[in-house]
Amino acid sequence: GQQLNQSPQSMFIQEGEDVSMNCTSSSIFNTWLWYKQDPGEGPVLLIALYKAGELTSNGRLTAQFGITRKDSFLNISASIPSDVGIYFCAGLLIQGAQKLVFGQGTRLTINP
Amino acid sequence: NAGVTQTPKFQVLKTGQSMTLQCAQDMNHNSMYWYRQDPGMGLRLIYYSASEGTTDKGEVPNGYNVSRLNKREFSLRLESAAPSQTSVYFCASRKGQGLSYEQYFGPGTRLTVT
Repeated sequence: GQQLNQSPQSMFIQEGEDVSMNCTSSSIFNTWLWYKQDPGEGPVLLIALYKAGELTSNGRLTAQFGITRKDSFLNISASIPSDVGIYFCAGLLIQGAQKLVFGQGTRLTINP
Repeated sequence: NAGVTQTPKFQVLKTGQSMTLQCAQDMNHNSMYWYRQDPGMGLRLIYYSASEGTTDKGEVPNGYNVSRLNKREFSLRLESAAPSQTSVYFCASRKGQGLSYEQYFGPGTRLTVT
């Protein structure tokens, strides 16, 4: 099936640092979504992107829909302890059924 | 609004036993989904229902059946559980209109098959 390559797989940072992660694919997507999952919980939607080149912010989070439609980026500025968790990207293919494809996740750990 | 709810939260089964995972949403969404989550593999789609009365297979449907009971409820059944079905199961829903493709997830059911 279609795959999204999400990187890095894990990050260990100091509180206050900025964070960057991305998802890439060989396929074109027409929607990108970013989710965060806390331990023992379901994923929570953070940001949705619908247009190539779109840059959208949600507080300290900023995500971009790559101009080639094959990638997306998520940045977190000035990280705080509650940012700990697993971040997933998800994409909707232009062709085919209306189903999301998920990346493998980026596990974020913050040292206080 | 409770959003998406799932029951049970935890379950332990013996190989060969059957069970049904329940999911309900109160957002009047048209589409509902069942995923499984395994370590290092992200979320994989088992079955989905684009609208009431329709169901379709996802990426990993073998060993599962679903029922879209009404607009609110979408259940997942394991007829004969196997250890390979040990996983965390998530239900999700989506409004299913226009360009919006935002899915909203329930809290998950943690299933262990021994």
